[in-house]
Amino acid sequence: GAGVSQSPSNKVTEKGKDVELRCDPISGHTALYWYRQSLGQGLEFLIYFQGNSAPDKSGLPSDRFSAERTGGSVSTLTIQRTQQEDSAVYLCASSLKGLEGTYEQYFGPGTRLTVT
Amino acid sequence: QQQVKQSPQSLIVQKGGISIINCAYENTAFDYFPWYQQFPGKGPALLIAIRPDVSEKKEGRFTISFNKSAKQFSLHIMDSQPGDSATYFCAASHTTSGGSYIPTFGRGTSLIVHP
Repeated sequence: GAGVSQSPSNKVTEKGKDVELRCDPISGHTALYWYRQSLGQGLEFLIYFQGNSAPDKSGLPSDRFSAERTGGSVSTLTIQRTQQEDSAVYLCASSLKGLEGTYEQYFGPGTRLTVT
Repeated sequence: QQQVKQSPQSLIVQKGGISIINCAYENTAFDYFPWYQQFPGKGPALLIAIRPDVSEKKEGRFTISFNKSAKQFSLHIMDSQPGDSATYFCAASHTTSGGSYIPTFGRGTSLIVHP
């Protein structure tokens, strides 16, 4: 079956440009997450969507970052006026509540963003 | 404030040996503790998970040991193989009163298993 897909797989952009990263979650998964992973670092939570509820944006590092999820499916993470410190791998994950009340996250392969 | 502390940062083990990765948490509301495995160029994938009502869970060569009173849990990889070489992340989570579920991840352990 299809897993979580992300596009593009790699993105090189110039400092100051805007970028859009796309995530296609597993069909039927109600929850969607964006994380940032810098080299040698853990997973930094950015934003969380759950069904029709208002997203939890508590992890967004600045107002240059925003995300939306259309129709409860595809999500786009937008970074405006990119800075070199935004260079990282951006991971998307989706999940569905399991039988034990837990949520197993399924991650996409990530988008590697390089800001020059 | 780091809510989940993971150690060691890196680990080198000989083939056939035991790999042990430790995590400690602070929030007593956490009630689900998954471990993820990540290969280079890939996203993390769930390896094994445990709830706090049991002290140990085993799946094949992978075992989670959980110590609720100490707020610690660990991953043991028995008979480590070169194919186990990857980065391992522990995580802890709970469902908030608002229905949100946002896991907190450790910083990861890079495991290298020498042939």
